[in-house]
Amino acid sequence: LAKTTQPISMDSYEGQEVNITCSHNNIATNDYITWYQQFPSQGPRFIIQGYKTKVTNEVASLFIPADRKSSTLSLPRVSLSDTAVYYCLVGDGNAGNMLTFGGGTRLMVKP
Amino acid sequence: GAGVSQSPSNKVTEKGKDVELRCDPISGHTALYWYRQSLGQGLEFLIYFQGNSAPDKSGLPSDRFSAERTGGSVSTLTIQRTQQEDSAVYLCASSLVGSGALQETQYFGPGTRLLVL
Repeated sequence: LAKTTQPISMDSYEGQEVNITCSHNNIATNDYITWYQQFPSQGPRFIIQGYKTKVTNEVASLFIPADRKSSTLSLPRVSLSDTAVYYCLVGDGNAGNMLTFGGGTRLMVKP
Repeated sequence: GAGVSQSPSNKVTEKGKDVELRCDPISGHTALYWYRQSLGQGLEFLIYFQGNSAPDKSGLPSDRFSAERTGGSVSTLTIQRTQQEDSAVYLCASSLVGSGALQETQYFGPGTRLLVL
């Protein structure tokens, strides 16, 4: 089971780009990388998923280097409403792998 | 409904009492998951249902915890003889197929906040 390591917390200001890096040194060949976002008093919400290189959607971008031992979630021009906990998950097609959330990164966006 | 719903939203109970938490998954989703989240912590997997298959109960913390899913839809998580350490937010999620592939998005409900006094 691939273990992930993320910073416990980060601070930013409105309008800035935020990059949250997740380390997953023992990622397996079939593993995908997925990020979820959780607002206070809500369940987590899927943000983005990727396997290699770069993935972009309307919410964020995900950068994955060639060795795939880390990944970076990039949030462009954050606003106060982006204050949340961001979870990085790594796993493959086995149910046990996809069900493990770490402590996440608590992002605080300040005015 | 449009999303996963859970009830009650909040539950306060006394130590030793039994509680039942309900989850209504998104219509058509065959997979259903229960997680527990203690204050300021990440999510802890409890149990996973996929269609009519036997559930994966590997995450249940003790035999006081049980869950069932009737008709492949609504699920109930039951905690017997509640203890103070059971206080947490209990989250339910569903996904379309539940193949176990991480490619599949899990849709979470708002959770039930359980406080055991």
